[in-house]
Order: sequence, then structure tokens, then C-alpha cells
Amino acid sequence: EPEVTQTPSHQVTQMGQEVILRCVPISNHLYFYWYRQILGQKVEFLVSFYNNEISEKSEIFDDQFSVERPDGSNFTLKIRSTKLEDSAMYFCASSEPGSYGYTFGSGTRLTVV
Amino acid sequence: AQSVTQLDSQVPVFEEAPVELRCNYSSSVSVYLFWYVQYPNQGLQLLLKYLSGSTLVKGINGFEAEFNKSQTSFHLRKPSVHISDTAEYFCAVSDGYGNKLVFGAGTILRVKS
Repeated sequence: EPEVTQTPSHQVTQMGQEVILRCVPISNHLYFYWYRQILGQKVEFLVSFYNNEISEKSEIFDDQFSVERPDGSNFTLKIRSTKLEDSAMYFCASSEPGSYGYTFGSGTRLTVV
Repeated sequence: AQSVTQLDSQVPVFEEAPVELRCNYSSSVSVYLFWYVQYPNQGLQLLLKYLSGSTLVKGINGFEAEFNKSQTSFHLRKPSVHISDTAEYFCAVSDGYGNKLVFGAGTILRVKS
């Protein structure tokens, strides 16, 4: 069964450093998403991406965040200057045309120290 | 704006007993409802979804859910749980294809032997 692949599974970074979280969505999917889950809290929407542009973003997705689909297969989330409160599990998801089948990756646990 | 309320943060239950995890939603437009399961240190796996049609939806692992429009509910049920069902369960709502999912806070199901 097709999967959404996320790398790395764990990342530790120093406060103020830039991080890039990577995702490979399912190949025929057209919508891509990033969500995050701070430990013990609910899963929160960050951003959706369609046709090479952001279609919706949340209040969390401020200027320190950016997304990119650099090569037609990868979908990345960049955090420019990480803060302690960015520590969370970040999930990538994609959905296929004409369906409500959102498929999630297994997540990247980001720890900012 | 959409929102999801999961009324129980934790539900303990003995093995082979029935269980119901409650979910209420609010939305001003058409809704599409989902239940996801998250096993420890893993990603989000789709259990079932309601898009239209029959209000009783069957999913994987013996779970089912009933959409009740008048009560704005989408409760998840299983007639007989197993130890392996121990996990966190998230109810989510979307208002259209490609649109973001809004998640509830999650319910931890603890199955005891």
C-alpha cells in the first residue's frame, strides 16, 4: 500500500538553527499538508499546498515557516530560526484527487534544545 | 469555523468489553468526518470516514461509527475490544475536498486484561 514517507524520524536542533523536515507524498496525490502535535496536545493544522502554492495556512504558520515542493516528489517544511516551543511531532499528509483519503506519514519528532 | 470535541480524555475498559468513544462537532457547512488511531510512537492511521450516504460507517479492526446530524455527533464504537486496541483515537472534521482536517483533542483508550 502506498505510503507517505517522512525523514528524519527524529531531529534534535539548537535553538535558533534552521531545520528542514522532508516528506515524500504518495505519487498521484495532489494536496499536501503539514500538521504538528506538541506532546500531550491535539494535532494542529499548519499549512496546505496545492498546485505549487499554499492554499491555506494557520495562525501558527508565521514567517519563520515555509514549504516547498522542490522537485515534484519531495515536500519540505522549513523552520528558519527554531524556538523551544517548536518542539513537536510534525506530520506530513497528502490526499488524492476526488477523494477524502488523507494519508499521514509516521512523523518527525523535532526537539529544540 | 469548525471544531471537534472529544468528551473523554481517557477511557479505561476491560478486554472483550464494548467501548464507545464520543465525538461532537460543529460546522456551518457540509461535514466530512473521520476517526484516526495513533499507536505509541507511530503516525496517524485512518480507521473510518463518513462522507455521505449511510450514517453507519464500518472501518478497520472491527470499529464502526454512526453519524448523527441532529446531535452533531460521530461516536466510535467497538463491540469487543482487544489489548491491541490500546491507543489514542482522534476524531476529525473537514468541510471539503482538499481542505484541512480539524482534530479533536484525542481519547486514550486503555484496554486492561
